[in-house]
Amino acid sequence: AQSVAQPEDQVNVAEGNPLTVKCTYSVSGNPYLFWYVQYPNRGLQFLLKYITGDNLVKGSYGFEAEFNKSQTSFHLKKPSALVSDSALYFCAVRDMWGDDYKLSFGAGTTVTVRA
Amino acid sequence: GAGVSQSPRYKVAKRGQDVALRCDPISGHVSLFWYQQALGQGPEFLTYFQNEAQLDKSGLPSDRFFAERPEGSVSTLKIQRTQQEDSAVYLCASSLSGAGGNEQFFGPGTRLTVL
Repeated sequence: AQSVAQPEDQVNVAEGNPLTVKCTYSVSGNPYLFWYVQYPNRGLQFLLKYITGDNLVKGSYGFEAEFNKSQTSFHLKKPSALVSDSALYFCAVRDMWGDDYKLSFGAGTTVTVRA
Repeated sequence: GAGVSQSPRYKVAKRGQDVALRCDPISGHVSLFWYQQALGQGPEFLTYFQNEAQLDKSGLPSDRFFAERPEGSVSTLKIQRTQQEDSAVYLCASSLSGAGGNEQFFGPGTRLTVL
């Protein structure tokens, strides 16, 4: 079985401050990890992924995420948040050893960046 | 290039009606997925196609749900005798292949409301 937990329903930050959205996962084997962002009335937009290699992955719009195997975490980060980053963020995992096509999502974290 | 498209974007059905939701994946994408997203939650896997073959339908909530992809491109999700609990956003996604580290690209979704 595979699952994702996003412990914070909401994250509020001021524009220009660092932004962190937390994610922890559980898989039987090795994970493929993804971050998606969802704007109102739109589908999910891919931000970045971890497959293998460097634990720090860089993605779209200045976002990055750090894979930590010992803590089973994949937190999303942005050094300086913008008001336009306000959206709903989803972490997702696929199990490399299981049904590795099947994405499991967290419940999502709403990010609000105030001007 | 064109992304994943879905139609209709919004559908209101009376309880007991049948509905059909269409997905046009990105050209050349072998794999196609359907997800159900309830209000305030992350997407939940429904079914997976590789070309025209439906390889996993374990997430379909009941036998009222049926999906097809007869020519390996466009897919239709059909819900028979709709119930109020079927109200949700139905997301379609496609990827180059289902397995491995390929990310899934999502359409804008169809918001189904069953009265």
